Amino acid sequence: AQSVTQLDSQVPVFEEAPVELRCNYSSSVSVYLFWYVQYPNQGLQLLLKYLSGSTLVESINGFEAEFNKSQTSFHLRKPSVHISDTAEYFCAVSDNDKIIFGKGTRLHILP
Amino acid sequence: EAGVAQSPRYKIIEKRQSVAFWCNPISGHATLYWYQQILGQGPKLLIQFQNNGVVDDSQLPKDRFSAERLKGVDSTLKIQPAKLEDSAVYLCASSRMVNGYTFGSGTRLTVV
Repeated sequence: AQSVTQLDSQVPVFEEAPVELRCNYSSSVSVYLFWYVQYPNQGLQLLLKYLSGSTLVESINGFEAEFNKSQTSFHLRKPSVHISDTAEYFCAVSDNDKIIFGKGTRLHILP
Repeated sequence: EAGVAQSPRYKIIEKRQSVAFWCNPISGHATLYWYQQILGQGPKLLIQFQNNGVVDDSQLPKDRFSAERLKGVDSTLKIQPAKLEDSAVYLCASSRMVNGYTFGSGTRLTVV
């Protein structure tokens, strides 16, 4: 079965600084990969996903993630964070026809 | 398109009581999932339905949890009797394909 590892439970970063949230998954077998975001007191929202094709995928709010098959990673990056990016970020991987989530990384933006 | 509807939004019960959650998926989505998200953790899959049949319930605590999806549309998740450790957000999701998941807003359960 697939699994997802998010090594950092919390990442503090200053506003307008770059950030990387790390994610590794368990298998190099063909997979779909996802990043979900959960803002305070809200539900889960899909941020971006990798299905096939270009290994770099982008979201509409400036985040991007790169699928690296050799390192089984799918790290999430943003060149300049804003206070509104404060949220919990979950990396997820498909396992047959269901999605398995990591434990999450809390992004804490410092003023 | 309407999203995944869940109710109630919040529920507080005493331990050993029973509780039920309801989910109405997006029209046409054959697959429905229930997840449990304990505070500070990622969502954990409890059960997966394909139409009205169970595909995977390996992580469902069957001694106290049950779920059904009558007629392959709405679904109900029940806990009987509840324990303190069942306090969590219960998320419903539906999809046509695995790359098209949509989550509901969830039901926040507090067991006291």
